[in-house]
Order: sequence, then C-alpha cells, then structure tokens
Amino acid sequence: AQKVTQAQTEISVVEKEDVTLDCVYETRDTTYYLFWYKQPPSGELVFLIRRNSFDEQNEISGRYSWNFQKSTSSFNFTITASQVVDSAVYFCALSVPSGTYKYIFGTGTRLKVLA
Amino acid sequence: ETGVTQSPTHLIKTRGQQVTLRCSSQSGHNTVSWYQQALGQGPQFIFQYYREEENGRGNFPPRFSGLQFPNYSSELNVNALELDDSALYLCASSPVESGELFFGEGSRLTVL
Repeated sequence: AQKVTQAQTEISVVEKEDVTLDCVYETRDTTYYLFWYKQPPSGELVFLIRRNSFDEQNEISGRYSWNFQKSTSSFNFTITASQVVDSAVYFCALSVPSGTYKYIFGTGTRLKVLA
Repeated sequence: ETGVTQSPTHLIKTRGQQVTLRCSSQSGHNTVSWYQQALGQGPQFIFQYYREEENGRGNFPPRFSGLQFPNYSSELNVNALELDDSALYLCASSPVESGELFFGEGSRLTVL
C-alpha cells in the first residue's frame, strides 16, 4: 500500500525566513511520481512540481527548491526568503501508474508567513 | 485554455438528501477524477472516469456514484447524505497520457 506522511501540521515563519516542508512516502513500486501542490484559501490545488522515481536530481524554481532522496523516501520542499503570499496549505502526493491516476495525498502542512 | 470548473461552489443539504456536483474538464483532457477533502485533511480519491466508464475507485460506499459525458464533463452524485459527507469535493482532469491532474476550486458541501 502507498502512504504519504507530512509530519508538520503547521509552521509559522517571519517573512524572508527560509522554510522546509517535509514529506516522507511509502511504496513498494519502483516506478512512481511525487508531487507538491499548494492550496490557498480559495480551495483550488495549484500544481508546483512533479518528480518521477528515476530522477533524483534536485530542482530549483525561483524561490522554490525540492530535495528528492530515495534512500530516505523523502521529497522535501524548501521556500527561500518566504513571503506572505506563500501562506497556504501545502500537500505532498504520490501516484503509481496503474491505469488509474490515483493520487495519495499527505495530510498537508499549513504554512503561515508573518509580515 | 479553460481550466477545470466546478458547480456549485457552495451548498447546504440535510441528512438523507441527495446531491449532484458538476465538473467541466480542462480542454483536451479526457479523464476526470473526484476527490473528497474533509476539513484539515488531504484529499481522498473517490473515483476516476475515462471514456464514460469508471476506471478506478477508492474506499467509498456505492451511494457515491458518478457519470462522465461525451464532452468529458462529469457529475458526482451522493445519495442518502450523512453528516460526515460534509467536505470540499474536488474535481480534477487529466490527459490520459500524462496522468498529471489539474484541479478545480471545488464544491464545498455542508450536511446538516
């Protein structure tokens, strides 16, 4: 069975601080995809990144960066120089290609960036 | 390019009633999935439709049912509503070849 754990329920930081959101996943499949989504108060899940299990290269996109480590089954997300607009709930998700594109989501981390 | 749109955005029902939620897929997407997100939780997979047929189902009872239409739009129907059905219902569409989901803003259902 697949599982995603986001142990941090809520994090508060002051603007311009760096913050890392943790994600640990479980799957026995060798091929899988990992995702991060942002959910602002409006409710829509905004896609941030997809990473497949064969690509362990870290990725940077502006102030966002992702650290994928298969050895520890982790896919952590770092926001550098956080801004108030980064305040949202962030979800990590896992998908195993099997004909059904079913995502397994973690319980989310609420990030509050204070001015 | 039009994104995923859902209606209604908010609705209130009472226990035992039935509800229908609607979703229009993003242009070019032929697969639709529905997720339930209870307060403070991550979204839970309900089911997925491809070519107008159910193509996978999560751990939800049969009173949760759906339809996909030839234009790839979709409906989620819930019968005999229970208090625990109160949640945000998210629709997501995807092109079958990628599996990447694009979500709508959801329909927030409150059951009293």
